[in-house]
Amino acid sequence: GNSVTQMEGPVTLSEEAFLTINCTYTATGYPSLFWYVQYPGEGLQLLLKATKADDKGSNKGFEATYRKETTSFHLEKGSVQVSDSAVYFCALKRTYKYIFGTGTRLKVLA
Amino acid sequence: SAVISQKPSRDICQRGTSLTIQCQVDSQVTMMFWYRQQPGQSLTLIATANQGSEATYESGFVIDKFPISRPNLTFSTLTVSNMSPEDSSIYLCSVDRGAGEPNTEAFFGQGTRLTVV
Repeated sequence: GNSVTQMEGPVTLSEEAFLTINCTYTATGYPSLFWYVQYPGEGLQLLLKATKADDKGSNKGFEATYRKETTSFHLEKGSVQVSDSAVYFCALKRTYKYIFGTGTRLKVLA
Repeated sequence: SAVISQKPSRDICQRGTSLTIQCQVDSQVTMMFWYRQQPGQSLTLIATANQGSEATYESGFVIDKFPISRPNLTFSTLTVSNMSPEDSSIYLCSVDRGAGEPNTEAFFGQGTRLTVV
């Protein structure tokens, strides 16, 4: 079946540190891959996406590359800010259905 | 984009009672989705609601427990019936304008935090 596994949190970093949140997936066929972010008190919102192998999604300094050979979609940012503190969800989409990871809470300290 | 208004934002309910959650979208959409987000866990799809037809429920969710209405293309409700403490969770409404297309994004309401005591 389809599934998404992402690293457990919480992840605590100092401002300007490098961030990696690992995400791997299992899927039949070729899903689209997404990262969603949930800021405190808000709903989930799209951070970035990639729809085919080797695509790189990017937004707000975050990047993730669709790696078919390793079935991964790791999220990276070179220099995190306090405002990046949130919960990050990796997800895959097959037809109209999403499969979400368990979420990784990121806390960035000033 | 889509703006989704969901209410109530939170509620504390007595066991055995029911709560109806409303979801209003700022424009017409074909498919609306209801998710549950249990503490420390992933989002789990409860059902897909299409206007003019019965909702399609995922494995482990039944209509008697989670009846859904979809009276028009901008509105849906989810009822959590005969609640128990195990129903304490965040319930999320979602839409996807390109439902069925692989590369379109979903939009989410802010969620309803339900606590059953």
